Amino acid sequence: AQKITQTQPGMFVQEKEAVTLDCTYDTSDPSYGLFWYKQPSSGEMIFLIYQGSYDQQNATEGRYSLNFQKARKSANLVISASQLGDSAMYFCAMRVLSDRGSTLGRLYFGRGTQLTVWP
Amino acid sequence: GAGVSQSPRYKVAKRGQDVALRCDPISGHVSLFWYQQALGQGPEFLTYFQNEAQLDKSGLPSDRFFAERPEGSVSTLKIQRTQQEDSAVYLCASSLALGGETQYFGPGTRLLVL
Repeated sequence: AQKITQTQPGMFVQEKEAVTLDCTYDTSDPSYGLFWYKQPSSGEMIFLIYQGSYDQQNATEGRYSLNFQKARKSANLVISASQLGDSAMYFCAMRVLSDRGSTLGRLYFGRGTQLTVWP
Repeated sequence: GAGVSQSPRYKVAKRGQDVALRCDPISGHVSLFWYQQALGQGPEFLTYFQNEAQLDKSGLPSDRFFAERPEGSVSTLKIQRTQQEDSAVYLCASSLALGGETQYFGPGTRLLVL
């Protein structure tokens, strides 16, 4: 079974500072992908960053980077130089990539972390 | 280009009423997913289509839930005889193909069953 754990219900960070949002995962599948999505109060899930289980380097996308530690099964999101517009709910998600029939494709989500950026 | 669109954005239904939720995926996207997001929770998988074929419906909570994508583009999620526990945000996502590609989400339909 696949499981995503986000242990921080809420995080606070001052504008222009960096913040790390924690994510641990559990899967027996050797091939998987890890995603982070942002969900503002408007409700839409916005894709931020992706890390494949066989990728050698940590993923980066602008101010977002993913601190991938495979042995520890963690995939923390680092947001540098926080902005007021970063205030939102952040979800970590995983999908398995090996050919397991119908389980291929679905995303497994954590419960999310509410990030608040203050000026 | 246009993203995933969903309609209606908000729906209030009386218990026992049938509802239909629509999803327009990104043009050319083969895969389409439906998720249910209860208040304060992460999204939970409901069902998945590849073109018009429904390949996985293991997440549908009961036989009152039915989804279709007859022409491999627009999809409809239908809930019959709605119950209060069906109140949630229903998210639709699409991806270009199957195999690890990123899923892009619509704004969701917020369903409230009274």
